[in-house]
Amino acid sequence: DQQVKQNSPSLSVQEGRISILNCDYTNSMFDYFLWYKKYPAEGPTFLISISSIKDKNEDGRFTVFLNKSAKHLSLHIVPSQPGDSAVYFCAASAFSNAGKSTFGDGTTLTVKP
Amino acid sequence: NAGVTQTPKFQVLKTGQSMTLQCAQDMNHEYMSWYRQDPGMGLRLIHYSVGAGITDQGEVPNGYNVSRSTTEDFPLRLLSAAPSQTSVYFCASRGSGNTIYFGEGSWLTVV
Repeated sequence: DQQVKQNSPSLSVQEGRISILNCDYTNSMFDYFLWYKKYPAEGPTFLISISSIKDKNEDGRFTVFLNKSAKHLSLHIVPSQPGDSAVYFCAASAFSNAGKSTFGDGTTLTVKP
Repeated sequence: NAGVTQTPKFQVLKTGQSMTLQCAQDMNHEYMSWYRQDPGMGLRLIHYSVGAGITDQGEVPNGYNVSRSTTEDFPLRLLSAAPSQTSVYFCASRGSGNTIYFGEGSWLTVV
């Protein structure tokens, strides 16, 4: 039973447009969510996070939205840039044990110039 | 600032051989962990440690051993390599916050 799901393996958008990456979770104990970005041949790097007490968190071009009732979160990138092309992983955990995160399978984002 | 350092970056093993993937962090983080990533899949937790002398199993621990004798180091041992252990391995650490910092990965092929 996969507790964190990213149902879109890939997403392609035009430069300057909005990219929306989605993530669903099933475990109601999860209360802390993170997005990681991964380039080929590199380790994942932290992008943005949100705790369950919020429904939105912004950091520059990146915004994460959390819908607790639907157990759904999304990452919005506006405007998208070619350098954003990477694999994006959604991760979820209990806040008290965020190092033991459960990851989704990732979405490969391609931003076309 | 080196962060999380993994060695080796690439390794080819024969079935049945043993080896150790090294991991070191210089951020004085208590929490360290090992993940594996298979093609088209997310990261799956192998083992983790909440401090020196304390380790525990993650989601996919079979075939792997860990130890944590110091805060800085968290080696992962493959006892008897199998082709199913062909994967990319990531070591990670976390400090007082909730962000995980990953190493650059170790590509392991078992033939």
